[in-house]
Amino acid sequence: AQSVAQPEDQVNVAEGNPLTVKCTYSVSGNPYLFWYVQYPNRGLQFLLKYITGDNLVKGSYGFEAEFNKSQTSFHLKKPSALVSDSALYFCAVRHDMRFGAGTRLTVKP
Amino acid sequence: DAGVIQSPRHEVTEMGQEVTLRCKPISGHDYLFWYRQTMMRGLELLIYFNNNVPIDDSGMPEDRFSAKMPNASFSTLKIQPSEPRDSAVYFCASLLGSTNEKLFFGSGTQLSVL
Repeated sequence: AQSVAQPEDQVNVAEGNPLTVKCTYSVSGNPYLFWYVQYPNRGLQFLLKYITGDNLVKGSYGFEAEFNKSQTSFHLKKPSALVSDSALYFCAVRHDMRFGAGTRLTVKP
Repeated sequence: DAGVIQSPRHEVTEMGQEVTLRCKPISGHDYLFWYRQTMMRGLELLIYFNNNVPIDDSGMPEDRFSAKMPNASFSTLKIQPSEPRDSAVYFCASLLGSTNEKLFFGSGTQLSVL
């Protein structure tokens, strides 16, 4: 079975600081991994994906994610957080597009 | 394109009533997914279709839930009879499987069962 796990329910960072939202995966074969963001009262929006190629994937709104095969991780990162980045973040694995539990990111001014 | 369209946006009903949620995927997309989101259980995959055929319905909670996709442009999720624990936000999403496999979500239906 293919699955992802987000070990942190909540991440708090100060504006301007780097942020990391963690995701680990369990996949047989090559993983197709995704990150999505959900703002209040909205559906999820695509941020970025890893299919193959470079381990560092760049996406929307200045986010990037690093695929690490040895650690089976796909952590979402941003060098400098904005208050407007505060939202729910979900990672997902292709095949049936099941999502992790989600991580609530709060960026404080 | 107008994106994935869900209706109604909000639904309030009484326990025991039948509820039907509707979804129109993006034209040309061949996959359609139904999700349920609650604070307690997060975002759960209920069922997904490929070319109008249900592929995996293992997430459907129980027999009270049913989903159909009679054609490529329309899907329904029905709950009969509804119960208070069904209260949640239900999302529909679609994607084109042959390309970059990016999911597009609708705005969701907020269901409240009293």
